[in-house]
This record gives sequence, C-alpha cells and structure tokens, in this order.
Amino acid sequence: DQQVKQNSPSLSVQEGRISILNCDYTNSMFDYFLWYKKYPAEGPTFLISISSIKDKNEDGRFTVFLNKSAKHLSLHIVPSQPGDSAVYFCAAAGPGVSYDKVIFGPGTSLSVIP
Amino acid sequence: NAGVTQTPKFRVLKTGQSMTLLCAQDMNHEYMYWYRQDPGMGLRLIHYSVGEGTTAKGEVPDGYNVSRLKKQNFLLGLESAAPSQTSVYFCASSYSISVINTGELFFGEGSRLTVL
Repeated sequence: DQQVKQNSPSLSVQEGRISILNCDYTNSMFDYFLWYKKYPAEGPTFLISISSIKDKNEDGRFTVFLNKSAKHLSLHIVPSQPGDSAVYFCAAAGPGVSYDKVIFGPGTSLSVIP
Repeated sequence: NAGVTQTPKFRVLKTGQSMTLLCAQDMNHEYMYWYRQDPGMGLRLIHYSVGEGTTAKGEVPDGYNVSRLKKQNFLLGLESAAPSQTSVYFCASSYSISVINTGELFFGEGSRLTVL
C-alpha cells in the first residue's frame, strides 16, 4: 500500500488562477516533506519543503501547507503560469531526515492553460 | 555545467540479457542514488551510495547490482533482465544525505529501459 498518495493524477487550471495540488500520507513517523517538479524528458527538480514541526512554508508563488492531524499536505501556486505545467511529486522522509528514508508519491500532472 | 548525466537514454533488451546504466556527476557529491519510476507509482529507491567504494540497498534492490568505484560515477547493472524491470531509471546525487539544509537531490534526465 502506498504511504504517500496523490489521488489526482492530473489537474487543469487557467493561467493566473490558483493551483492546489494535494498529497496524503499514512505514516505518522514522517518528519519532513518535499515537493519536486518534473518537466518531460528531464529529471525532477526540488521545489519546496516543509518540516513536520511547521504548518506552512512559502517561497515566492509557491506555498506548502501541512496538516499533521489529517496527514495531509498541499502545494499552492499563485498565480499559476503556463511554465508551471509539469508533473509534481510529493515526497516524505521519515523516521529521520535522510534520503534513504524518502518515499515519493505517484505525481500529479498540472496543466496551466493560457 | 552538466550536473548529472545518464547513459544510455534509451535501451531495449531481451529477457535474460545484461546491461549497465552509467551515472556521472560533476558536482563532487558524496551521495548518489538510483531510482526507478513506473506508471502510477512514485520514484522508488533501488540502491544508493554514501561515498566512493560504498553501496547500500534501497526499497527495491532485487535484480540489480551497483558499483561506485569512482566518486563521480555510480553504475547500475542488470545481470539478467526481466520484463518487470521495464521502467524509467533516474540517477540522482546530493551534497548531503539529509533532506534539509543543502540536501537537495539533483537528478539526471532518466534512462528508459524496455525488456521484451
């Protein structure tokens, strides 16, 4: 059973609107959460992260929210731009914060329509 | 400014054949990783290395071997390929094993392997 779930395989949003990508997890031992972004024919690149002791982290147009009680995190992109069209992977690390403990979700493909 | 380079980018094998995927990084990173990505699933860690001459098993190591003879290179081998190993393989490297601080993973472009 997948420990990190991204239940929406795809999402379409109009340019300028908010994109909300959701991620659910089952393991309460996760200590750190990350989002990676992947364009076609490229490797994933790091986008933003959040520690389990925080409930929000913001970096420019990207904000990640963590709700530990619900075992849920979300990535908000405001405003969405066509260049944001990519696959977004949610990942969780734990117990501990080393990469051998990271579990990736299956990804959500975001399309931002001009 | 190559970063992480994987060769080959595409390969088709017959069941039972062997092959090696090469990963090279020019960032002087200690840590290197091999992942596989399958439809509907996240990246899964196959093997990783914490430094030259070291290797360790990840989540899905069976059917694969790895070697890290030089710091900049991490090789992934399939001794006897099976159709279940059809996948896209990603190599990555990082300055730190930790996901925080400067621990960002840098990925290669991927290698698509098909086993018939």
